[in-house]
Amino acid sequence: EVQLVESGGGLVQPGGSLRLSCAASGFTFRSYEMNWVRQAPGKGLEWVSYISTSGNIIYYADSVKGRFTISRDNAKNSLYLQMNSLRAEDTAVYYCARDFSVRGVSIPFDFWGQGTLVTVSS
Amino acid sequence: SYELTQPPSVSVSPGQTARITCSGDALTEKYIYWYQQKSGQAPVLVIYEDSKRPSGIPERFSGSNSGTMATLSISGAQVEDEADYYCYSTDISNNHKVFGGGTKLTVL
Repeated sequence: EVQLVESGGGLVQPGGSLRLSCAASGFTFRSYEMNWVRQAPGKGLEWVSYISTSGNIIYYADSVKGRFTISRDNAKNSLYLQMNSLRAEDTAVYYCARDFSVRGVSIPFDFWGQGTLVTVSS
Repeated sequence: SYELTQPPSVSVSPGQTARITCSGDALTEKYIYWYQQKSGQAPVLVIYEDSKRPSGIPERFSGSNSGTMATLSISGAQVEDEADYYCYSTDISNNHKVFGGGTKLTVL
């Protein structure tokens, strides 16, 4: 069974840092591109960051570029998001989601975790 | 930056066809994907590459892309289809991933 389990969320003060983790199981993690997507309370989905299978290609949304860092450890089947200089507007549920790509078929976000809540407040 | 525009809400009676639109520039040059998010749950893919249904998604879900507008149709909508629906595509100018603002579907 495919599973993505996020952890590391919590309450943090503005300007603080937090590191999110996503533990993957039930599939060959190293073969899948991965993403972080967030959803502020009562708002829509916002893509945050993407990382290729080997980690050599990375993209960030403009809203987090320079403050967030995505990484992965294929040996540990884990995805990470280091979040620095956090702002109130970063308050959201953060989801990890995988991209499926095989033989010319590309399906972004074909499977999602259940999310972890990050609250930035003093 | 690239934007996808959806109506905030759509309402239908059970058994009717619900249509949710997604508009954006140059849709002929890209695929549109649709995600369903029920209250308190993670999103689920319901349509990929404009019109294909993943395994396990009911046949009443279908998609189309005319080039100026993509549409998610739910034929014979059921109460269990009540959810927020998001379209998605890629901004090929910078490889950024873009969601539409979401549409709340009410079936009652």
